[in-house]
Amino acid sequence: NSKVIQTPRYLVKGQGQKAKMRCIPEKGHPVVFWYQQNKNNEFKFLINFQNQEVLQQIDMTEKRFSAECPSNSPCSLEIQSSEAGDSALYLCASRWDRESSDYTFGSGTRLLVI
Amino acid sequence: QQKVQQSPESLSVPEGGMASLNCTSSDRNFQYFWWYRQHSGEGPKALMSIFSDGDKKEGRFTAHLNKASLHVSLHIRDSQPSDSALYFCAASEHGYNQGKLIFGQGTKLSIKP
Repeated sequence: NSKVIQTPRYLVKGQGQKAKMRCIPEKGHPVVFWYQQNKNNEFKFLINFQNQEVLQQIDMTEKRFSAECPSNSPCSLEIQSSEAGDSALYLCASRWDRESSDYTFGSGTRLLVI
Repeated sequence: QQKVQQSPESLSVPEGGMASLNCTSSDRNFQYFWWYRQHSGEGPKALMSIFSDGDKKEGRFTAHLNKASLHVSLHIRDSQPSDSALYFCAASEHGYNQGKLIFGQGTKLSIKP
C-alpha cells in the first residue's frame, strides 16, 4: 500500500470544467512533486513544493494549473479549465529533502476530460 | 532530446530467465539514478537506487552504474510473471536538494510462463 495517498482515483470532467485532485504526502516528507503521465507513459514534471513554498513549476502549471500544499491539509492540484489534452494520470510524490532520498509515489488520479 | 534514454522499448523473457534493461543519460549533472516499476493501474514503485560506480544487488535485482559512460542497467534474474510491468529509469541532478526526477520512456517487460 502506498504511503502517499491520492484522491480521487478517477475523475471525469467536461471540457472547460475545473478538475481538482488531492494528495497526502508520506508522513514527515517536506518535499512534494506533481507529475503528469500521459497515455504514452511519458512523465511531465508540473510543480514541486518544500513545505508550503513552490520550488519549481513549468509554464503550463503557471497558466491553467494551480497547486498548493497548505500546512495541516492535503496538497492539491487544480486545473482551472480542463482540456482534452489534460487527460492523463496525475501522480503525486514526496521525499525527504536530501539529495539521495527516495521518491515515494501515490497511485495517482486518472483524469478523463470528455 | 530526451535526457534519459531507455532500451529496449519492450522485452519478453521466459519465466525463470534473466531480464536486462538499459538506460543512458546525456546529462553529466545527473548523479543519482533510480529504477522504478509500474504495474497497470498503479503508481511507480521504487525498486532500487544507485549512486556509485559498480554493482548493487538486492535479492533478484542487480543494478550497475558506469558514471564515465552515464550508463545504468538493471538485471532481473529468475524472472517471475509478477515482474511483468513497465520499468522506468529516472535520474536527478547533483547538488540540487529538491531536484525533480527525469524519467526515461520506459521498458515494457513481459514474463512468459
